[in-house]
Amino acid sequence: GESVGLHLPTLSVQEGDNSIINCAYSNSASDYFIWYKQESGKGPQFIIDIRSNMDKRQGQRVTVLLNKTVKHLSLQIAATQPGDSAVYFCAENIYGANSKLTFGKGITLSVRP
Amino acid sequence: KAGVTQTPRYLIKTRGQQVTLSCSPISGHRSVSWYQQTPGQGLQFLFEYFSETQRNKGNFPGRFSGRQFSNSRSEMNVSTLELGDSALYLCASSFSGAGYEQYFGPGTRLTVT
Repeated sequence: GESVGLHLPTLSVQEGDNSIINCAYSNSASDYFIWYKQESGKGPQFIIDIRSNMDKRQGQRVTVLLNKTVKHLSLQIAATQPGDSAVYFCAENIYGANSKLTFGKGITLSVRP
Repeated sequence: KAGVTQTPRYLIKTRGQQVTLSCSPISGHRSVSWYQQTPGQGLQFLFEYFSETQRNKGNFPGRFSGRQFSNSRSEMNVSTLELGDSALYLCASSFSGAGYEQYFGPGTRLTVT
């Protein structure tokens, strides 16, 4: 995932608009990717995942796109709501029995009313 | 189904002391992973336990240790606390392992003074 300093990048969107949160992953051998949402005072919450044999996967109001050529992952949130305000993390993994997720630093999504 | 629970939620300790944190995974999940979350470093993997065995380990000093019981509950111990150990410690459980979809608890906020 992206490496940033002490301050997380912030994406500000208007309520009702679509949000696109981007993530550059680091390992070209990674074959499993996952998005988490973390609200203040809570642990990360699973949103959606995708395997490298897919380039798109849809959930409820969310879509994850994977571009392996440029090692880029994005999360699209349709009709963004105030409850979507949170920090979003992407994570990558090389599938295997003893594997682990490597998390990016996170991106803050702020929804304007 | 009950989620991942962590106790205590907040803890204040003094440098040099030790601390034990507890995690109860989702029923049926055999994998428990521990993470340290700080503003500067983000989410960093500590270790994973699967069926009472440590299966994976991150790059943390030996002061950080853990164990898992036969009921999959896990504990994490930090000895000789340092100021830099102040962080949110997150536990995540999974049916399959640390490289797959995981469900996080609310975390334990540890402050070392």
